[in-house]
Amino acid sequence: DAGITQSPRHKVTETGTPVTLRCHQTENHRYMYWYRQDPGHGLRLIHYSYGVKDTDKGEVSDGYSVSRSKTEDFLLTLESATSSQTSVYFCAISDPWSGRGNEQYFGPGTRLTVT
Amino acid sequence: EDQVTQSPEALRLQEGESSSLNCSYTVSGLRGLFWYRQDPGKGPEFLFTLYSAGEEKEKERLKATLTKKESFLHITAPKPEDSATYLCAVSLVQGAQKLVFGQGTRLTINP
Repeated sequence: DAGITQSPRHKVTETGTPVTLRCHQTENHRYMYWYRQDPGHGLRLIHYSYGVKDTDKGEVSDGYSVSRSKTEDFLLTLESATSSQTSVYFCAISDPWSGRGNEQYFGPGTRLTVT
Repeated sequence: EDQVTQSPEALRLQEGESSSLNCSYTVSGLRGLFWYRQDPGKGPEFLFTLYSAGEEKEKERLKATLTKKESFLHITAPKPEDSATYLCAVSLVQGAQKLVFGQGTRLTINP
């Protein structure tokens, strides 16, 4: 594994409640990403970060916000969870200046169910 | 619109029966193409990066190749432990740090 942990690994929550997922890395990589994976849609980028306090939107960012106050941590927040946000969420990291190239390394995932 | 299409969606082979998975792309400017393996309940595992047409990479029973419009993942004499979903992704010249993924090919190798 590339030194990436996600917490929690499983969560069940109710519609309308806020939820925060955490990604922690020990690789000191510059870029961090949040994806969601759904049957029929593959992996889709939600938000990504290119440095501390530097973030940008991906293709499915509505209803999600992110924060990165430290290099090692990237938080994904669902302000008011909806059933359409039931999914598996993956965090990834990359750093083209690390000698590894542009490839991304993924965490183990968080399975979120919104009832 | 940038698109990545993988085929077939699912493939079932007998142990030792070689085959190929396809990843075709229509993008505005390709910077790199990536192959990943994903086991059930786990995150994608990086396999290969290809940057230019004609490039090939090998790892054990897997070989990835790249042309100007598509990539192939060749699996030679597969074993049951090669069963997984194989994902293809591209990074673009514009926004090189973002990946666009295909929907994957689910490969099953029967003993």
